[in-house]
Amino acid sequence: QKEVEQNSGPLSVPEGAIASLNCTYSDRGSQSFFWYRQYSGKSPELIMFIYSNGDKEDGRFTAQLNKASQYVSLLIRDSQPSDSATYLCAAPQGDSWGKLQFGAGTQVVVTP
Amino acid sequence: GAVVSQHPSWVICKSGTSVKIECRSLDFQATTMFWYRQFPKQSLMLMATSNEGSKATYEQGVEKDKFLINHASLTLSTLTVTSAHPEDSSFYICSAKDPGPLMGELFFGEGSRLTVL
Repeated sequence: QKEVEQNSGPLSVPEGAIASLNCTYSDRGSQSFFWYRQYSGKSPELIMFIYSNGDKEDGRFTAQLNKASQYVSLLIRDSQPSDSATYLCAAPQGDSWGKLQFGAGTQVVVTP
Repeated sequence: GAVVSQHPSWVICKSGTSVKIECRSLDFQATTMFWYRQFPKQSLMLMATSNEGSKATYEQGVEKDKFLINHASLTLSTLTVTSAHPEDSSFYICSAKDPGPLMGELFFGEGSRLTVL
């Protein structure tokens, strides 16, 4: 069974520091990965997706994908209290972009 | 950007009753929508794929007779939890993919929190 694994945390990060989140996956055939942010009681919102090896940057967020090692990470630079949320890593099941398998999520707490 | 809307946001019902949740794509047509369920402090689990004009496809372990899905139009999918029980209390979230050219354009509804007493 395909699995997406994340450390549940909580990950405590001082304001202004870098938060580093990791995700590993079991399906070597997975080609693309998504990072979602979910505030308590709310639905997930897409932060970014990545499908090429290497880094992808979008504002304060950088996703890193290493297909050989089967991990994808998310860096949050200059962490703000508003970044406190659960971050979900997801990969499509099969060839459908809509059917996502989510990791358990990592809770991030940014402390002032 | 594309928006997916769910209704109701909150619903409380008695055990044994049925509850219908609507998922609408507001500014795009969605031939396929997806229904997820999230229990407290757990991640989202895909329940089923809703296909416009045809039967839904359910994930393993999800009872199709209990979770009725209807996708009667290109902008509306409904999930009906039949004979709800307290263990069905959960956060139900739908999603739809904008059929545009951009990869990753999967939009989630606001979610519907069901509490069964």
